[in-house]
Amino acid sequence: AQKITQTQPGMFVQEKEAVTLDCTYDTSDQSYGLFWYKQPSSGEMIFLIYQGSYDEQNATEGRYSLNFQKARKSANLVISASQLGDSAMYFCARPLASGANNLFFGTGTRLTVIP
Amino acid sequence: NAGVTQTPKFRVLKTGQSMTLLCAQDMNHEYMYWYRQDPGMGLRLIHYSVGEGTTAKGEVPDGYNVSRLKKQNFLLGLESAAPSQTSVYFCASSSWAINQPQHFGDGTRLSIL
Repeated sequence: AQKITQTQPGMFVQEKEAVTLDCTYDTSDQSYGLFWYKQPSSGEMIFLIYQGSYDEQNATEGRYSLNFQKARKSANLVISASQLGDSAMYFCARPLASGANNLFFGTGTRLTVIP
Repeated sequence: NAGVTQTPKFRVLKTGQSMTLLCAQDMNHEYMYWYRQDPGMGLRLIHYSVGEGTTAKGEVPDGYNVSRLKKQNFLLGLESAAPSQTSVYFCASSSWAINQPQHFGDGTRLSIL
């Protein structure tokens, strides 16, 4: 079974607008976390934000926030006030098993910010 | 702040050759990982280590071996390179806490001819 699904291969957003990148996951675990990483064209993997399954509030980090809907098993990344530097691949990831540190990555979404 | 350093950054091999990719981290992390990234796919875990002297298989371990003789280093070996191993390889490290992110190196682009 697919552990992480990112259904949007590519997304476009106008500069200064907000954009939502979708991520759904498959788990029967009670305790888990979701990570989002950014990979610019230069290739490095940059950690953006983390959401724990027991966190009562949606995680936020600057312009990044998570729309976490546990019942729907989704953890969508919201980027507000998009900037040209946000153009990159974005990956959602979750641990392979409850309590594990190993991550399973989705296939990613390529975001392009249009000036 | 070096973080996670991978060497080399690029390498071209011929089929059947062997090589070792080196990963070094200076954050005193217990856990280290090797991933590969292929076009159109996310990162896939090859092997990982939860501490010095320990290693374990990940999702795609065939054709690779690893060693962690020192806490700060994690080596990935290809004994007999195959064209299917052409990929970008990433090393990462993390603390034991499951809510802490993995920190990645800049990657090694490996081509097998």
